[in-house]
Amino acid sequence: ETGVTQTPRHLVMGMTNKKSLKCEQHLGHNAMYWYKQSAKKPLELMFVYNFKEQTENNSVPSRFSPECPNSSHLFLHLHTLQPEDSALYLCASSPHAQGINEQFFGPGTRLTVL
Amino acid sequence: SQKIEQNSEALNIQEGKTATLTCNYTNYSPAYLQWYRQDPGRGPVFLLLIRENEKEKRKERLKVTFDTTLKQSLFHITASQPADSATYLCALDSNAGNMLTFGGGTRLMVKP
Repeated sequence: ETGVTQTPRHLVMGMTNKKSLKCEQHLGHNAMYWYKQSAKKPLELMFVYNFKEQTENNSVPSRFSPECPNSSHLFLHLHTLQPEDSALYLCASSPHAQGINEQFFGPGTRLTVL
Repeated sequence: SQKIEQNSEALNIQEGKTATLTCNYTNYSPAYLQWYRQDPGRGPVFLLLIRENEKEKRKERLKVTFDTTLKQSLFHITASQPADSATYLCALDSNAGNMLTFGGGTRLMVKP
């Protein structure tokens, strides 16, 4: 609907598992973002990529590892997560990472860490 | 410290009335402010953007005001409908670098 897709939509994993979240945008945008949305907390910006280069890491623990192979795809690799990492992970894109422009969000991946 | 505050309590109004949501911020000098709508289980959807030098912006039944002296934005939905029921988020960017900081959102319930 928004031109940003995320898979999987739901994920349950144990603390010792390794999994990856995928995001793809079909809008021709150059900037992509990962956000975390926990219950009763505001959206938190995690990472920003502009033209495939990471321009922002918002003090995110190393158990979250982003990858951006091209401007259309963004991954979030997960390993040895904690139960408090359970949240809705949202991907977004925008025409540029500089200047004033709206962001287009995907539907999110609901992650549960057991 | 920087803070963005939206009323965390749900706003309940009757269909046809005007809904007014508030976004207050402290220790920010935002270059612009955006409003998004989020439905349960979905990502936020952009609604309106207002720049620091603009006082008011309109789009159909939506109106946003921006008062940099009061450090406040108001979001109005006129002639509200049950379909307007959702959570509304405000977001600020201080540097025009598209690094958005979001408020916690206000849930709006429009009753028929």
